[in-house]
Amino acid sequence: DGGITQSPKYLFRKEGQNVTLSCEQNLNHDAMYWYRQDPGQGLRLIYYSQIVNDFQKGDIAEGYSVSREKKESFPLTVTSAQKNPTAFYLCASSRGQGKSYNEQFFGPGTRLTVL
Amino acid sequence: GIQVEQSPPDLILQEGANSTLRCNFSDSVNNLQWFHQNPWGQLINLFYIPSGTKQNGRLSATTVATERYSLLYISSSQTTDSGVYFCAVGVAGNKLTFGGGTRVLVKP
Repeated sequence: DGGITQSPKYLFRKEGQNVTLSCEQNLNHDAMYWYRQDPGQGLRLIYYSQIVNDFQKGDIAEGYSVSREKKESFPLTVTSAQKNPTAFYLCASSRGQGKSYNEQFFGPGTRLTVL
Repeated sequence: GIQVEQSPPDLILQEGANSTLRCNFSDSVNNLQWFHQNPWGQLINLFYIPSGTKQNGRLSATTVATERYSLLYISSSQTTDSGVYFCAVGVAGNKLTFGGGTRVLVKP
């Protein structure tokens, strides 16, 4: 099946620890995105990547890092510098900038809780 | 940056009723999407509609790009329509900016 997978579904972290969230897509999309959602609010963009080995900061990048070594994968690391990491994290992908019909599709999300 | 406002913030419907959700945005866009977020958090794509009108079953959407708004119509609502509806718009780089959502509860 074609789609976007995220793992784990739930993640618990102690304060001071870094954690990495996985995002994989088999849609052959060039662009991938990470969003954060807090309770009762809309999504906010953390990082995005239009092509392999390139990525840009979104609106709330502080305390996060990413890599894009493969077209299919866009992992997100939540570092200990992120002050309020407890949130719902969603990964998305799209055909890419400059493509017609550049609809974004989302994975099922990872719920991160800091204990 | 671009501002996206959705109204109403909350909507309670009786099963079978019709409703209209509105999305206003502050600048020209090259992407506009409507999503339904289910109780498990999954974002389900409803429409990709930077302009014009589309219909899919009981749902339809209209975007008037020149006046910077989009409307989502739900007809003959069902309990499974409950959840949060998000409008999101994209400009340069195809990043999406989300509105605050409309929380819909359909009562049997």
